[in-house]
Amino acid sequence: AQKVTQAQTEISVVEKEDVTLDCVYETRDTTYYLFWYKQPPSGELVFLIRRNSFDEQNEISGRYSWNFQKSTSSFNFTITASQVVDSAVYFCALGGVYGNKLVFGAGTILRVKS
Amino acid sequence: NAGVTQTPKFRVLKTGQSMTLLCAQDMNHEYMYWYRQDPGMGLRLIHYSVGEGTTAKGEVPDGYNVSRLKKQNFLLGLESAAPSQTSVYFCASSDSGPQETQYFGPGTRLLVL
Repeated sequence: AQKVTQAQTEISVVEKEDVTLDCVYETRDTTYYLFWYKQPPSGELVFLIRRNSFDEQNEISGRYSWNFQKSTSSFNFTITASQVVDSAVYFCALGGVYGNKLVFGAGTILRVKS
Repeated sequence: NAGVTQTPKFRVLKTGQSMTLLCAQDMNHEYMYWYRQDPGMGLRLIHYSVGEGTTAKGEVPDGYNVSRLKKQNFLLGLESAAPSQTSVYFCASSDSGPQETQYFGPGTRLLVL
């Protein structure tokens, strides 16, 4: 069975701090895909990144970076120099090639205070 | 392109009433999904469709029915609403299976009294 664990229920930081959101996954598939979505207070779900299991290179996009480690089954998300606009719920998700389901973690609430 | 749209945005129902939520996408995607979001539980898949005329059960299908008569539309029905179905419902679509990025609609807030 596939499972995604986001152990951090809620994180509070002060603006300009760096923050890392943890994501640990379980799957028996050798080919799988990992995603991060952002849900701001307005409620919509915004796609951030997609990564396949064969690509372990870290990715950086502006202040966002992702660290994928197959050895620890983790796909962590770091926001550098956080801003108030980063306040949102962040979801990690896992999709397999052989199933028709995207499995979501419970989400991490990030509060960035000015 | 509007992407994925959902109708209505908000609805209040009494226990036992029925309603249909409409999802439409203009990206010519094959796959469409209905999720519900409840506090602390992430998103859970209700039903999905891999193409026009097909539907399949997801993780929490009880109390819901779906139809995909046209490729661009995916309907979610509640035949007899229960308070346990109070939730936020999201529709999503993707080009193919869950290995592809899913694009979400804005959500529908449903309150069942």
